[in-house]
Amino acid sequence: SQQGEEDPQALSIQEGENATMNCSYKTSINNLQWYRQNSGRGLVHLILIRSNEREKHSGRLRVTLDTSKKSSSLLITASRAADTASYFCATDAGGAQKLVFGQGTRLTINP
Amino acid sequence: DAGITQSPRHKVTETGTPVTLRCHQTENHRYMYWYRQDPGHGLRLIHYSYGVKDTDKGEVSDGYSVSRSKTEDFLLTLESATSSQTSVYFCAISDEQGTEAFFGQGTRLTVV
Repeated sequence: SQQGEEDPQALSIQEGENATMNCSYKTSINNLQWYRQNSGRGLVHLILIRSNEREKHSGRLRVTLDTSKKSSSLLITASRAADTASYFCATDAGGAQKLVFGQGTRLTINP
Repeated sequence: DAGITQSPRHKVTETGTPVTLRCHQTENHRYMYWYRQDPGHGLRLIHYSYGVKDTDKGEVSDGYSVSRSKTEDFLLTLESATSSQTSVYFCAISDEQGTEAFFGQGTRLTVV
């Protein structure tokens, strides 16, 4: 089974609202990453948070990490139509030499 | 964009035929990954490599083999394609373990 599981599977909001997506994982990690995928394209890296960090910001993105609960959240503030995409979390699965992804959250921003 | 190229971009093949997908990078990154993406399953890791001739299985490796004879190329082979292997295949590279990965544009494979 996969290391990361995103919740919700789909999210639809109005432009300007904030979007929150959650990720849970199973094993210990060294870091957790978030990626975006536009329809028909490859994934693009958004942000990486290390296991000793609790929160990280990048522009309109805010990521939190709770290692005690094995969970992370991605907040996109002031959403725009261009944020419409699928979002995935990925972990290094406890330091194994691989990168494991969750099932993703499909985000739709309505104008 | 990172220098990563997948070929072919689209392929239709018949059940039972062998198929090889190629991932080529110009970044000299150590780690390379093959994923498949199917509706409802996200990205699932097939095989990965942490160096030349160093490869290991991911979570869905049955029916697939890989080879990495040089840093820049990572080949994924379906020995005898089945309809269940119809999918979009993505290659990714990263410089260090567990760090930012760069993805190719994907290969859409249809097995009929």
